[in-house]
Amino acid sequence: DVKVTQSSRYLVKRTGEKVFLECVQDMDHENMFWYRQDPGLGLRLIYFSYDVKMKEKGDIPEGYSVSREKKERFSLILESASTNQTSMYLCASSLAEPNTGELFFGEGSRLTVL
Amino acid sequence: AQKVTQAQTEISVVEKEDVTLDCVYETRDTTYYLFWYKQPPSGELVFLIRRNSFDEQNEISGRYSWNFQKSTSSFNFTITASQVVDSAVYFCALKTPSGAGSYQLTFGKGTKLSVIP
Repeated sequence: DVKVTQSSRYLVKRTGEKVFLECVQDMDHENMFWYRQDPGLGLRLIYFSYDVKMKEKGDIPEGYSVSREKKERFSLILESASTNQTSMYLCASSLAEPNTGELFFGEGSRLTVL
Repeated sequence: AQKVTQAQTEISVVEKEDVTLDCVYETRDTTYYLFWYKQPPSGELVFLIRRNSFDEQNEISGRYSWNFQKSTSSFNFTITASQVVDSAVYFCALKTPSGAGSYQLTFGKGTKLSVIP
């Protein structure tokens, strides 16, 4: 059964803390994505990566960075968490472009920043 | 610019009723793909269907059906005889071709469907 696994389902952090969200996929997909989901705003793309060590900014990259050292793993980093980063974070993967491709999503990581 | 509009923010129906979720899209590309995803309370978005811009055939899968009309730029989703397990947030999405290093996938804001027993 193919899978995208996010390391933490629920996290509570304090303002100013450094936060790591980890995502691993077992489908040998080239593309990986981090989305943020907020009520009334839908899914917004933070960053995506189309290859190891490659990354591209999405729609809302401010306050975030990413790391992709291995093909199967894509990490989202909040260098100094703020309360407005309280949200649901979704990781996804897909085949390389061009593709018709649907995304495969993890279960999400709900982050609360106090 | 691409845009996906799901005008219905929340819908409530009584079990066994039929319900249609609307999706209207905008793009200048002639080749594109449309998707529907389901997000149950567990959180994981699940792919339901993909349609390419050259295939306007409607599709039925069990209680689910999709109506794609290029003339109105719509890709609506109907659930027949709804069940409590259909309660979820449903997202429509539009993808246009892109080369390496770019990605063009736009999600609508989602429609939350509640099916009441």
